[in-house]
Amino acid sequence: LAKTTQPISMDSYEGQEVNITCSHNNIATNDYITWYQQFPSQGPRFIIQGYKTKVTNEVASLFIPADRKSSTLSLPRVSLSDTAVYYCLVGPYTNAGKSTFGDGTTLTVKP
Amino acid sequence: DAGVIQSPRHEVTEMGQEVTLRCKPISGHNSLFWYRQTMMRGLELLIYFNNNVPIDDSGMPEDRFSAKMPNASFSTLKIQPSEPRDSAVYFCASSLGGTDGYTFGSGTRLTVV
Repeated sequence: LAKTTQPISMDSYEGQEVNITCSHNNIATNDYITWYQQFPSQGPRFIIQGYKTKVTNEVASLFIPADRKSSTLSLPRVSLSDTAVYYCLVGPYTNAGKSTFGDGTTLTVKP
Repeated sequence: DAGVIQSPRHEVTEMGQEVTLRCKPISGHNSLFWYRQTMMRGLELLIYFNNNVPIDDSGMPEDRFSAKMPNASFSTLKIQPSEPRDSAVYFCASSLGGTDGYTFGSGTRLTVV
């Protein structure tokens, strides 16, 4: 299983762009990269998934370099409500159970 | 769709008692996952099912834990007998596969005293 490494915590201010990087040096050829957000007392919520280059949706962008050994979740113009724990997962597309949650990054957005 | 539905939301039980947690996945999703979350160990995958069949239960802590999925719309996680170290939040999640990831339920907070 690919092991992921993320910063334990990050601070930001409202309106700023936040980039959270995840390292996954032993990512396999058939592994995808998925990011989740978790608020206190709630289950994790899917944010975005990608395999290579760049993926963008209505809430975030995911940047994956050519070697795929890391990925960066980009949150544009964060607000106080983006304060949460963000998890990076790596695992095969066809065997979802092989993805594991790491320790996550606690993002604190300040006014 | 109402999302993944878990019951109960909170459960307090005495050590030695049997505990059953329930999950209704999103209709049409073919994979179901049980996770446990604690401060010390984070989110741990206990077991997952694909098309109602258990695929990987290597995360189940010990024989006191068992999970079933009798049909596509219902799953249970049972702990018998329960112990204080089983206290955690237990999440159920379901997935259709593809690029949509997992959808998690609101969890069951279990306290064993």
